[in-house]
Amino acid sequence: GAVVSQHPSRVICKSGTSVKIECRSLDFQATTMFWYRQFPKKSLMLMATSNEGSKATYEQGVEKDKFLINHASLTLSTLTVTSAHPEDSSFYICSARETGRGEQFFGPGTRLTVL
Amino acid sequence: AQSVTQPDIHITVSEGASLELRCNYSYGATPYLFWYVQSPGQGLQLLLKYFSGDTLVQGIKGFEAEFKRSQSSFNLRKPSVHWSDAAEYFCAVGATGNTGKLIFGQGTTLQVKP
Repeated sequence: GAVVSQHPSRVICKSGTSVKIECRSLDFQATTMFWYRQFPKKSLMLMATSNEGSKATYEQGVEKDKFLINHASLTLSTLTVTSAHPEDSSFYICSARETGRGEQFFGPGTRLTVL
Repeated sequence: AQSVTQPDIHITVSEGASLELRCNYSYGATPYLFWYVQSPGQGLQLLLKYFSGDTLVQGIKGFEAEFKRSQSSFNLRKPSVHWSDAAEYFCAVGATGNTGKLIFGQGTTLQVKP
C-alpha cells in the first residue's frame, strides 16, 4: 500500500529556534498534502493544504508566517515551525492525497517539544 | 458548518465482545464519511469509507459501518473485538467540494479487557 513518511519522528528544540518537518510520499505522487496538528487526547485539526508548485492554503486561525509550508515536488512537503515556543509543542501529522485517485494516506506523525 | 461528533471519549470492552463506536455528523449534502484507526507510533489507517451506494460498508480488520441519513450517523461496528483492536478511532467527514480536506471527530479511545 501507499506509504507516507515523516522526518523526524521526534524533535526537541529550544524556544526561539525553527524546526523543519518533512513529509514524503514514498511510492506515489501527491499533488496535495495536508498538515494536521493533534493535541493530547484531542482530534486532528487541519492546519493547511499544501499544493505542489503553489502557495499553501491555511485554515482560519493558523499563522502562515509561523508555520511555513513548502511543497516543492510531487513527493515532498515541508512544514517549518518558525521561532518555536512551548505552546507550539504538539503532534504534527501530514497526509498525502494520491494524484488522480483522491485517496489520502497519513504519515506516522512528528512529536515536537519546545523547551 | 460541517462537524463530526463522537459522543464516547473512552470505551472499554471485553475481548470477544461486540463493539459499536458512535459517530454523528453535520453536513448539508450527502457526505463522504470515513473511519480511521490510530495506534501509538503509527499513522492513521483507513478502516472504511462511505461515498454513496450501499449504506452498510465493509472495511478492513472485520469492521463495518452503517450510514443512516435520518439519524446523521455513521457508527462503526465489529462483532468480536480482539486485543489488538485497542487504539484511538476517529470518524471524519470530507469537506465540501472534494478538496480532500477532512473534518475529524474528537476520537474514541478503545480499551480491550482480556
